[in-house]
Amino acid sequence: ETGVTQTPRHLVMGMTNKKSLKCEQHLGHNAMYWYKQSAKKPLELMFVYNFKEQTENNSVPSRFSPECPNSSHLFLHLHTLQPEDSALYLCASSQSSSGSYNEQFFGPGTRLTVL
Amino acid sequence: GQNIDQPTEMTATEGAIVQINCTYQTSGFNGLFWYQQHAGEAPTFLSYNVLDGLEEKGRFSSFLSRSKGYSYLLLKELQMKDSASYLCAVRPNTGGFKTIFGAGTRLFVKA
Repeated sequence: ETGVTQTPRHLVMGMTNKKSLKCEQHLGHNAMYWYKQSAKKPLELMFVYNFKEQTENNSVPSRFSPECPNSSHLFLHLHTLQPEDSALYLCASSQSSSGSYNEQFFGPGTRLTVL
Repeated sequence: GQNIDQPTEMTATEGAIVQINCTYQTSGFNGLFWYQQHAGEAPTFLSYNVLDGLEEKGRFSSFLSRSKGYSYLLLKELQMKDSASYLCAVRPNTGGFKTIFGAGTRLFVKA
């Protein structure tokens, strides 16, 4: 139990569906992250929020839309996904950022399958 | 470009010592992390190096040479539960929170 929870843990969706992934952290952190993890590939950073403001968008397609209403909650809205978007989506949080040492605490992930 | 290389898989014997290497090429350097990830679970933080040298933490140690763009994770007295993927990650000197991960090294510990 890392203090970061994600729901749902598993999601199967069609290419025309709209769904949302949710992340919540109970660690008092101010930075939150979305990563994509595909088999045998490195973790890919998608988005970073610091104090609710987006600070990184790693050229992510617009069919992924993040939302950060407060420092404890992070959403990833999914729309018109492609089968190649099937992956494990991990949320993480860390202390705020200006220092270089910022270990990240990861949630258990959402295993997404796009049919 | 930014690149982190580590071996795909390693096998070692229970009770032995194993060294997992990581080399990196990034836009500047602002720290290197090692994470452990068991199958089906979240990555968990193991160590952090920002200065050259060895950081020891119980059975695990991590070494960094910034001039060589090189790090290793040393695991001593291996246990079966150490079977996992080990992820090397670098924070480049681009400001903000960006962290670049390697693809991970899958370690199998056999009896």
